[in-house]
Amino acid sequence: DAKTTQPNSMESNEEEPVHLPCNHSTISGTDYIHWYRQLPSQGPEYVIHGLTSNVNNRMASLAIAEDRKSSTLILHRATLRDAAVYYCILRDGWGSNYKLTFGKGTLLTVNP
Amino acid sequence: GAGVSQSPSNKVTEKGKDVELRCDPISGHTALYWYRQSLGQGLEFLIYFQGNSAPDKSGLPSDRFSAERTGGSVSTLTIQRTQQEDSAVYLCASSPGRSSGNTIYFGEGSWLTVV
Repeated sequence: DAKTTQPNSMESNEEEPVHLPCNHSTISGTDYIHWYRQLPSQGPEYVIHGLTSNVNNRMASLAIAEDRKSSTLILHRATLRDAAVYYCILRDGWGSNYKLTFGKGTLLTVNP
Repeated sequence: GAGVSQSPSNKVTEKGKDVELRCDPISGHTALYWYRQSLGQGLEFLIYFQGNSAPDKSGLPSDRFSAERTGGSVSTLTIQRTQQEDSAVYLCASSPGRSSGNTIYFGEGSWLTVV
């Protein structure tokens, strides 16, 4: 499975934008980039995913580099409820990597 | 609508006893996953069910662990002769199918403590 690299931790202030980076230099052409987050004492929840184009939804935006070797999850205005571990995961578009393989993720701390 | 439901929420058991953890996936979801997360650690894949296909058991850590899915819906994860290292939160998840574009929905987990 293609691997991803994320910073262990990041810190942000409330109501400021947060840019969470992810490197995936060995990504294949059929790999989707998925982001999940895990709030304290909860199961992971889906945030966003994309293949080549930037994506926006109600939770966040996903900016994908032109060469797809990196991506950035953007939280436009961080709230205290966004404090969580954020996981960047690659999933093979042909379905062979149907299971999510979680790395360590980035622990996001949001300061009031 | 209802999400993925897991029971029990918390379970304390004595070393050597068997435990069963139950998962009710979202209605209509054909894919079901079990993961485990030890305290302060990442998520570890255990087993995957997809429709009537043979399950992917590649993540089960030992033969003390088994899982079944009856009628393509409810799943039970069984741990026999529990050990202290089995203490973890066991997370169940479901998905509409195996497409990589599908979202995977997780339950709140079953917290298992082996004393």
